[in-house]
Amino acid sequence: GAVVSQHPSRVICKSGTSVKIECRSLDFQATTMFWYRQFPKQSLMLMATSNEGSKATYEQGVEKDKFLINHASLTLSTLTVASAHPEDSSFYICSAEFSRGSNYGYTFGSGTRLTVV
Amino acid sequence: GQSLEQPSEVTAVEGAIVQINCTYQTSGFYGLSWYQQHDGGAPTFLSYNGLDGLEETGRFSSFLSRSDSYGYLLLQELQMKDSASYFCAAPNTGFQKLVFGTGTRLLVSP
Repeated sequence: GAVVSQHPSRVICKSGTSVKIECRSLDFQATTMFWYRQFPKQSLMLMATSNEGSKATYEQGVEKDKFLINHASLTLSTLTVASAHPEDSSFYICSAEFSRGSNYGYTFGSGTRLTVV
Repeated sequence: GQSLEQPSEVTAVEGAIVQINCTYQTSGFYGLSWYQQHDGGAPTFLSYNGLDGLEETGRFSSFLSRSDSYGYLLLQELQMKDSASYFCAAPNTGFQKLVFGTGTRLLVSP
């Protein structure tokens, strides 16, 4: 249980184009989703927290106009990298909180490898 | 703010025992989790310590000392497949987000 499906798993795009990444909670309602970015051999850095029906909260230093987050339903959050550039190439991972009985935790999508050429 | 520090790399041989440390500084503390991540994959949950002491889950154990702001992950009977990155993580005050440690890359050799 508590599965998050993330798509696409891998995308290559040209510089200047926009890329949308989707995360869906399959068997639970995710009122809050987290978006992380991970550069090679580094840790996961939180970019933003999205809450269903409200504006996302961005971490310091993350450009909200470049990384557009939409959490329109309890099962879907999207991250759009607007006008992507090579420095945006990274591994993007979503995560959601879940609570089921006595179990509580965070579950992760499988990640999206973005390469901007 | 929060910071969780880990050694960058640890090496060991198959069958050995290895300990990965995590020291943290947080404004509030709500427990320490451990995650494993293979290259190109998503983090997978390994263990959680909400209270001081040792939690054992098969070959993996995790320890927490809140008075020392310190925890560790213990991996026993190492296997080649254990080669991965390991992260400690803690939620911030109010459980608004999960913050990850700097990460430790474990290399298991034959």
